[in-house]
Amino acid sequence: GAGVSQTPSNKVTEKGKYVELRCDPISGHTALYWYRQSLGQGPEFLIYFQGTGAADDSGLPNDRFFAVRPEGSVSTLKIQRTERGDSAVYLCASSLFTGGAGELFFGEGSRLTVL
Amino acid sequence: AQSVTQLGSHVSVSEGALVLLRCNYSSSVPPYLFWYVQYPNQGLQLLLKYTTGATLVKGINGFEAEFKKSETSFHLTKPSAHMSDAAEYFCAVSPQGAQKLVFGQGTRLTINP
Repeated sequence: GAGVSQTPSNKVTEKGKYVELRCDPISGHTALYWYRQSLGQGPEFLIYFQGTGAADDSGLPNDRFFAVRPEGSVSTLKIQRTERGDSAVYLCASSLFTGGAGELFFGEGSRLTVL
Repeated sequence: AQSVTQLGSHVSVSEGALVLLRCNYSSSVPPYLFWYVQYPNQGLQLLLKYTTGATLVKGINGFEAEFKKSETSFHLTKPSAHMSDAAEYFCAVSPQGAQKLVFGQGTRLTINP
């Protein structure tokens, strides 16, 4: 389809392992966002890319979290030494650059469970 | 920093009744304001938004919201609830010029037959 695609849809891992979550945005969208949604909470901003560069990474909780977007399209969120508290749904969204006034198009999310 | 408060984590109404979901924001400068809806097993989708101009904005599925600067509010309403409106609703703000959204904690809407 033409929407935002996230893989895997579900990921179960053990504490201390490394995890990668992938996001394929809508074609032509220059802005890409990662959010984290814990149970019963609203989405929490992690990082925003404009093109290939991270324009705002103020929401990354610590240095175990890292994201890349090397060619300005697909992005990967990387989590090192996972902890049980990292369990959440990780949402990706994309948009045109509109100075904040435009619509974000969300994927269905990647549910991460850390045992 | 911008913040959003949604009053009531759960709201239950009867089919055909008025839906009112409350949202207040904190900001010294009026931000852009949004309502998103999340149906089960689906991604968030935009219901409506306020950026500039008319303070009463209409969205999809019969929803509307009014921006009230004096009350720093952006409450969501629908005159007559349908069973298909059952979902989680999120209010969000975007500081003008900033390219990110700050979300409220969400309100789960249940429709009783």
